[in-house]
Amino acid sequence: QKEVEQNSGPLSVPEGAIASLNCTYSDRGSQSFFWYRQYSGKSPELIMFIYSNGDKEDGRFTAQLNKASQYVSLLIRDSQPSDSATYLCAVTPSGGSYIPTFGRGTSLIVHP
Amino acid sequence: DADVTQTPRNRITKTGKRIMLECSQTKGHDRMYWYRQDPGLGLRLIYYSFDVKDINKGEISDGYSVSRQAQAKFSLSLESAIPNQTALYFCATSSGTLFFTGELFFGEGSRLTVL
Repeated sequence: QKEVEQNSGPLSVPEGAIASLNCTYSDRGSQSFFWYRQYSGKSPELIMFIYSNGDKEDGRFTAQLNKASQYVSLLIRDSQPSDSATYLCAVTPSGGSYIPTFGRGTSLIVHP
Repeated sequence: DADVTQTPRNRITKTGKRIMLECSQTKGHDRMYWYRQDPGLGLRLIYYSFDVKDINKGEISDGYSVSRQAQAKFSLSLESAIPNQTALYFCATSSGTLFFTGELFFGEGSRLTVL
């Protein structure tokens, strides 16, 4: 069973702080890595994806991938109350099917 | 209008009833998926289809069946609903083209309660 692990939280940060969300995966051959944001009662929406080792930045969001450690993270700078949501890590496995396996999600609370 | 539309959005039914959840998409994607979400358990794959003639079981297919009526339509059926199938169900699509990134596009969800 290929697993994707996330701390369920909740992770609570003050407004303006950096939120750091982490994800580990078991399949060393995993190819693609995604972060989805899901507001309560809503559907997940993609906010970042990363394929290569290193950092990828998009506005206030930075995804970091370390394939040797099988670890992917999402940093949210200048956190806002509107960032309060559950963040789902998803990983596509080796083998070419591109069907992602999701972690259970981390709940983020940004308090004013 | 949403690119991925699910009906019904909410349904309450009784144990033993047959239920169908429908999904239609206007994104032109070949690949369609049905996921189930339970509190604390994330998204779990029920079935997926890479084209009209290709249907595959996911990790939790027992008690479910699917039908891919057309490229744009993918239905999930519960032949005899049971209370532990109470969950939020999501349909999703993805491209299978050369430029495919692995990104999934989700419908708005169908909340099913089985009494």
